Amino acid sequence: SQKIEQNSEALNIQEGKTATLTCNYTNYSPAYLQWYRQDPGRGPVFLLLIRENEKEKRKERLKVTFDTTLKQSLFHITASQPADSATYLCALDISFNDMRFGAGTRLTVKP
Amino acid sequence: GAVVSQHPSRVICKSGTSVKIECRSLDFQATTMFWYRQFPKQSLMLMATSNEGSKATYEQGVEKDKFLINHASLTLSTLTVTSAHPEDSSFYICSAPLAGTPYNEQFFGPGTRLTVL
Repeated sequence: SQKIEQNSEALNIQEGKTATLTCNYTNYSPAYLQWYRQDPGRGPVFLLLIRENEKEKRKERLKVTFDTTLKQSLFHITASQPADSATYLCALDISFNDMRFGAGTRLTVKP
Repeated sequence: GAVVSQHPSRVICKSGTSVKIECRSLDFQATTMFWYRQFPKQSLMLMATSNEGSKATYEQGVEKDKFLINHASLTLSTLTVTSAHPEDSSFYICSAPLAGTPYNEQFFGPGTRLTVL
């Protein structure tokens, strides 16, 4: 069966450390993968997109890797701040405009 | 940037009543919009794809007669939950792709919290 699994429901880290979130998938062959941030009671906000032929993508303090052999994406936030506390969702492209989301990882950055 | 709005942000209704949720793309046109449902601590689940000028496409297991979708214009899609029951209580989110952006980047609305008593 098709699955998208994000490593843990919750992740707590200390301010200044690097947060690493994992997204694993099975029985999908996405052309690209996206990461979103969702704050409580709000809709998701797009952060980064990485294509299947890209190994790594960076944007400011964010870094995403995509390993199509392992069927895994890693999402890193360096020099984390309390304002980074949110739920982070990975989403796989299924077909044009059609995405499937993971359940998300709730990140808490403690001062 | 592109903005998608939803109205209302919260609604509480009695069991058996119908509730309409609006999704608007404020500064761009969208021939397609997507409706998702999210239960607490769970993923966004795609319910249906709303198509301007044609019928919506529903995902497997979603009752089209219960969740009526109307894509009235290039900036408005509505989701009507008919004869709502407590199990329909959820967070409903719409999204719209912005043509011309890489991979037609999707912009999400702020969501509508539906509580059915």
